[in-house]
Amino acid sequence: GAGVSQSPRYKVAKRGQDVALRCDPISGHVSLFWYQQALGQGPEFLTYFQNEAQLDKSGLPSDRFFAERPEGSVSTLKIQRTQQEDSAVYLCASSLEDRVGQPQHFGDGTRLSIL
Amino acid sequence: EDQVTQSPEALRLQEGESSSLNCSYTVSGLRGLFWYRQDPGKGPEFLFTLYSAGEEKEKERLKATLTKKESFLHITAPKPEDSATYLCAVQLPSGGYQKVTFGTGTKLQVIP
Repeated sequence: GAGVSQSPRYKVAKRGQDVALRCDPISGHVSLFWYQQALGQGPEFLTYFQNEAQLDKSGLPSDRFFAERPEGSVSTLKIQRTQQEDSAVYLCASSLEDRVGQPQHFGDGTRLSIL
Repeated sequence: EDQVTQSPEALRLQEGESSSLNCSYTVSGLRGLFWYRQDPGKGPEFLFTLYSAGEEKEKERLKATLTKKESFLHITAPKPEDSATYLCAVQLPSGGYQKVTFGTGTKLQVIP
């Protein structure tokens, strides 16, 4: 079956440009997470959706970061006026439901490079 | 502050040389602990969930154990294909949902 799909796999942008990263979760998965992963580090939480509701956005680094999941399936992470420190791998994960022990299934990420 | 610490940061083993990776945590209200494997350029791949102290789970050459303060991932007679970064993560209730916090990982290299 299809796993979590992220696009694009690689994105290069100039400082100051806006970017949009897409995540297609596993069909039927209620929970969706975005993480930021720097080289040699573990994934850092950005935001969480339960269906279309954004329940937690406490990890978003600044108001330049915005995420949405309008129909409770596909999600988009948008970064406005990108800066060099935004360069990282952005991972999306989904899980069937919000339940203790429920594992998250990850996409392969979008590697964002800001020049 | 809740913390998840993994050690060592990197580990180099000869093929067949067994060892253990450590994940220590200082959290209250742990609901579950996860182990993931991450290959270069890929997303983390789920391995195990552990719920309570004393619990053990096995998969091929890997065995995960849990105590009240730490978890170990034991690798028995590793092969080169076990080379990867191993991540642990703790699950805690937060703001009405089950939030997961990851450690920084242990990068394992198994040499033929």
